[in-house]
Amino acid sequence: AQKITQTQPGMFVQEKEAVTLDCTYDTSDQSYGLFWYKQPSSGEMIFLIYQGSYDEQNATEGRYSLNFQKARKSANLVISASQLGDSAMYFCAMRRLLSTGANNLFFGTGTRLTVIP
Amino acid sequence: DAGVIQSPRHEVTEMGQEVTLRCKPISGHDYLFWYRQTMMRGLELLIYFNNNVPIDDSGMPEDRFSAKMPNASFSTLKIQPSEPRDSAVYFCASSHTDYYGYTFGSGTRLTVV
Repeated sequence: AQKITQTQPGMFVQEKEAVTLDCTYDTSDQSYGLFWYKQPSSGEMIFLIYQGSYDEQNATEGRYSLNFQKARKSANLVISASQLGDSAMYFCAMRRLLSTGANNLFFGTGTRLTVIP
Repeated sequence: DAGVIQSPRHEVTEMGQEVTLRCKPISGHDYLFWYRQTMMRGLELLIYFNNNVPIDDSGMPEDRFSAKMPNASFSTLKIQPSEPRDSAVYFCASSHTDYYGYTFGSGTRLTVV
């Protein structure tokens, strides 16, 4: 079974500082994808970044980077130069990539990030 | 593209009433998912479709819940009869086989009183 663990219920970061949100996963699959989503107080789910299990380089998208350590089964999100607008709930998620195309996205419990001015 | 469109955004209903949530996926996407988000259980998959066919409905809580996808551009999630414990935010998301991304709708906040 697939499982995503986010051990930090809440995090605080000073504006303009970098912050790392932790995510570990458990799967016996060789082929899978890892995602981070942001959910602001307005409620929508915003896709941030994706890492494929066979990608050799860590994914980056603007101020977001994913620190992928396959052997440790971790996929931590790093946000550089935090902004007040980064205050939100952040979810780590995993998708199986099967030849059959099964596509469910498994979510962690989330980390609430608060950026302090 | 307008993205995944869900309606209504908010729904308040009395216990025992029927509730229908609607979703229009992104054109060309062949997967559609219904998720429910609560404080207690987080984000959980209810059901998903591939090419309009239900693939996995093991997350549907009980027989009071049903979902349909009559065509590639429309899906409904129905709760009959509704109960207060069904209060949650219900998200619809769509995806394509050849693309890793999922696009979520804005969600429907359901309150059953």
